[in-house]
Amino acid sequence: ETAVFQTPNYHVTQVGNEVSFNCKQTLGHDTMYWYKQDSKKLLKIMFSYNNKQLIVNETVPRRFSPQSSDKAHLNLRIKSVEPEDSAVYLCASSQDTQYFGPGTRLLVL
Amino acid sequence: QEKVQQSPESLIVPEGAMVSLNCSFSDSASQSIWWYQQHPGKGPKALISIFSNGNKKEGRLTVYLNRASLHVSLHIKDSQPSDSAVYLCAVHTGNYKYVFGAGTRLKVIA
Repeated sequence: ETAVFQTPNYHVTQVGNEVSFNCKQTLGHDTMYWYKQDSKKLLKIMFSYNNKQLIVNETVPRRFSPQSSDKAHLNLRIKSVEPEDSAVYLCASSQDTQYFGPGTRLLVL
Repeated sequence: QEKVQQSPESLIVPEGAMVSLNCSFSDSASQSIWWYQQHPGKGPKALISIFSNGNKKEGRLTVYLNRASLHVSLHIKDSQPSDSAVYLCAVHTGNYKYVFGAGTRLKVIA
C-alpha cells in the first residue's frame, strides 16, 4: 500500500523553466527525504528534514530548494532546470524504516 | 565519505535457485545496513536490515554482516520470478543520511 504520495508522476519541460514536485506521507513519520535516481539506478540523497527542520543538505546546485510546510509534506522546487536534471526524484519518509514514494520522472528537453 | 559498492551488476538465475548478492562499504562505524528491492517504475521497498555482526533471517531472506571486512551479503532462498528486480544496498551513516550502492539487477527465469 502506498503511504508516500508524489505528484506529478511525470513532467516534461524545457531548459530554463521552473518546476515543483510535491510529496505527502500519511505514516506520521518525523523525517522526510528527497533523493535523485539517475538512469543507471544510482540513488543519491539530496535533502533530509526532521520535524520540518533541514538536517541534510548534500552538495546540490542552488537551483534546488526544498520546502516543508509541516511534518507530512516536503516539496522540491527547481528553478531554471538544466538537461542534467533529467532523472527520477524520489521522496521517502522514515521513523526507522524508510518508505519511498513512486517517484516523479523529470525530462528536460 | 562513505562509499558503497555492489556486485554483481546483474544476475540471471533459474527459478528455485539460491541468489547471493554482495555489498562492500568503506566505514566500519556506519550504523545499520539495509537492502531494498525496486521493481520497474516503483520506488524502493525495504526488505531487511542488520546492525550487528552476524546474520539475520526473515522468511526466504538471510543477510550476513562482517564489519571487519566491511562486507554484507543478501541471500534469497528458493528464488521466484516475482523476485526479479533491482536490489539496492544502503548504509545508514547516521544523522538522517543514507548512502546507496548502484544496485544488482536480478532476473529469475521460470
